[in-house]
Amino acid sequence: KAGVTQTPRYLIKTRGQQVTLSCSPISGHRSVSWYQQTPGQGLQFLFEYFSETQRNKGNFPGRFSGRQFSNSRSEMNVSTLELGDSALYLCASSHDTMNTEAFFGQGTRLTVV
Amino acid sequence: KQEVTQIPAALSVPEGENLVLNCSFTDSAIYNLQWFRQDPGKGLTSLLLIQSSQREQTSGRLNASLDKSSGRSTLYIAASQPGDSATYLCAVGRASYDKVIFGPGTSLSVIP
Repeated sequence: KAGVTQTPRYLIKTRGQQVTLSCSPISGHRSVSWYQQTPGQGLQFLFEYFSETQRNKGNFPGRFSGRQFSNSRSEMNVSTLELGDSALYLCASSHDTMNTEAFFGQGTRLTVV
Repeated sequence: KQEVTQIPAALSVPEGENLVLNCSFTDSAIYNLQWFRQDPGKGLTSLLLIQSSQREQTSGRLNASLDKSSGRSTLYIAASQPGDSATYLCAVGRASYDKVIFGPGTSLSVIP
């Protein structure tokens, strides 16, 4: 059974650019959540999608957005990149929104220069 | 506001020791609590999931307990091995806008 796949694994972008990250969940999982991990702030919840609908959103600016497709694959977009957006972005999939185990991908390491 | 803390922040033990990692949360209205390990620069690996109605879960050398009333969970690792060296994070799941709150993690080093 394939795990959660995130692409690309590494990205280097310039301030002001935008970036799109992709996450393919485990087959059959309909919930996809995104997290940002930085040394200073730890793991912070960005948003969660379930059946193509955003169900929950963390406390991040509107520059961070996402979507989910009918096959449950999800994309996350960050516009007008700032140096502080440099982080490991992790995606997690689960069967349902509550009370189910979350499985994480290997993450996308974004560096903004 | 839910806050999750983990003690200790770092731990170094000789191989073979049994050890306990602690996780505390301030709001007992949780759906579940999950323990993960993270190796440097990598994603998170799920270790154990405890539903709010459960008291403990076991997997191999790992045992996790949950006491909702006191806002605590412990992860017990028996007979530690160098391969257990990693950062261990607990995450509290709940039904609110910030669905899952992670603790800061405990960095474990098992010395051969």
